[in-house]
Amino acid sequence: GQNIDQPTEMTATEGAIVQINCTYQTSGFNGLFWYQQHAGEAPTFLSYNVLDGLEEKGRFSSFLSRSKGYSYLLLKELQMKDSASYLCAVGDYKLSFGAGTTVTVRA
Amino acid sequence: SQTIHQWPATLVQPVGSPLSLECTVEGTSNPNLYWYRQAAGRGLQLLFYSVGIGQISSEVPQNLSASRPQDRQFILSSKKLLLSDSGFYLCAWSEKSSSYNSPLHFGNGTRLTVT
Repeated sequence: GQNIDQPTEMTATEGAIVQINCTYQTSGFNGLFWYQQHAGEAPTFLSYNVLDGLEEKGRFSSFLSRSKGYSYLLLKELQMKDSASYLCAVGDYKLSFGAGTTVTVRA
Repeated sequence: SQTIHQWPATLVQPVGSPLSLECTVEGTSNPNLYWYRQAAGRGLQLLFYSVGIGQISSEVPQNLSASRPQDRQFILSSKKLLLSDSGFYLCAWSEKSSSYNSPLHFGNGTRLTVT
């Protein structure tokens, strides 16, 4: 099975940087995925890592260390619209999700 | 491009009534299909997944069932709803990949309230 841990809540100021950590223990790993979920909406795919290292996509970057069972999502130049829950997910063709980290961006 | 349709968006049903939620995918063939549930303030729980027509795997014992009558159609059903069935139900699809690491793409979800 999978055990996925991420912080429950984080608060940051507009324009700042926030790093959301995710640690996992899994019996089957083919990739680590990050999703964004605004309140009342469905999750949307942000990024995924299958190899160790940093993947950058605009203001969002994701890092993976498979040996440590660790990933982080880095959000730069925070905007108010980035206020959402961020979900870490691991697995193969079946993904297991963490409970999500609610990020609140303040002016 | 691929799109996923899920309906209805919201549903209020009495305890003991039946349930049918439908999901269809366009723009792809032979996708993997999934039903997840998200209880209020909690993470996503995988309920069912399907790798092909008529092939359903159940992840959690419950009073729900799923069917895949056509390649791009996935249906979630219940004969008698319980209060604990309330939640946000999400259908998702992914491409089949030899490396098993295709991302999931979610429908807009159905918010079910059992009263």
